[in-house]
Amino acid sequence: AQSVAQPEDQVNVAEGNPLTVKCTYSVSGNPYLFWYVQYPNRGLQFLLKYITGDNLVKGSYGFEAEFNKSQTSFHLKKPSALVSDSALYFCAVRDGASGSARQLTFGSGTQLTVLP
Amino acid sequence: KAGVTQTPRYLIKTRGQQVTLSCSPISGHRSVSWYQQTPGQGLQFLFEYFSETQRNKGNFPGRFSGRQFSNSRSEMNVSTLELGDSALYLCASSLPGYIGTSGYNEQFFGPGTRLTVL
Repeated sequence: AQSVAQPEDQVNVAEGNPLTVKCTYSVSGNPYLFWYVQYPNRGLQFLLKYITGDNLVKGSYGFEAEFNKSQTSFHLKKPSALVSDSALYFCAVRDGASGSARQLTFGSGTQLTVLP
Repeated sequence: KAGVTQTPRYLIKTRGQQVTLSCSPISGHRSVSWYQQTPGQGLQFLFEYFSETQRNKGNFPGRFSGRQFSNSRSEMNVSTLELGDSALYLCASSLPGYIGTSGYNEQFFGPGTRLTVL
């Protein structure tokens, strides 16, 4: 069965500092990995995805994520955090193995707070 | 291009009632998925539809059902509501990636329907 873990419920970072939101996954086949962000009382917004190719994926609003197959991780990063980045971030995975469940499985979410 | 729309945005029901939620996907998107979001359980997959067929189903009781119409619009229904059904219900649409499911394509989410069961 596929699963994804976000080990930190809360991440605090000062504005202007780099930020990292951690994500690890478990699938039987090739992983399809996604990051989404949710602002209060809103639906989820897509940030970026990894399907294949370069391990460093660039996405919206200056975010990027690094795929590490050996560590089964897909951490979200941004070189310089903004107060407006404060939101709830979700990592998600879909197993690319044939015959596997095709639904998207989400992590528990990480609340990012950027302090001015 | 208009985003995913969900109606109604807010609902208040009492235990035992049933409810129907509606979702209109982005034009051209034929795959629609539904999720339940609660503080305790997080985001949980309910079901996915493509071309009016249910492709995937999550671990929810039979009280939760859905359907998709020929124009790709989707509805989900919850019968015999329980207090624990109070949640934000999110709909997402995407282009089909493989075999009619979302596959490797990102999903675009609507703002959700906030259901409160009293």
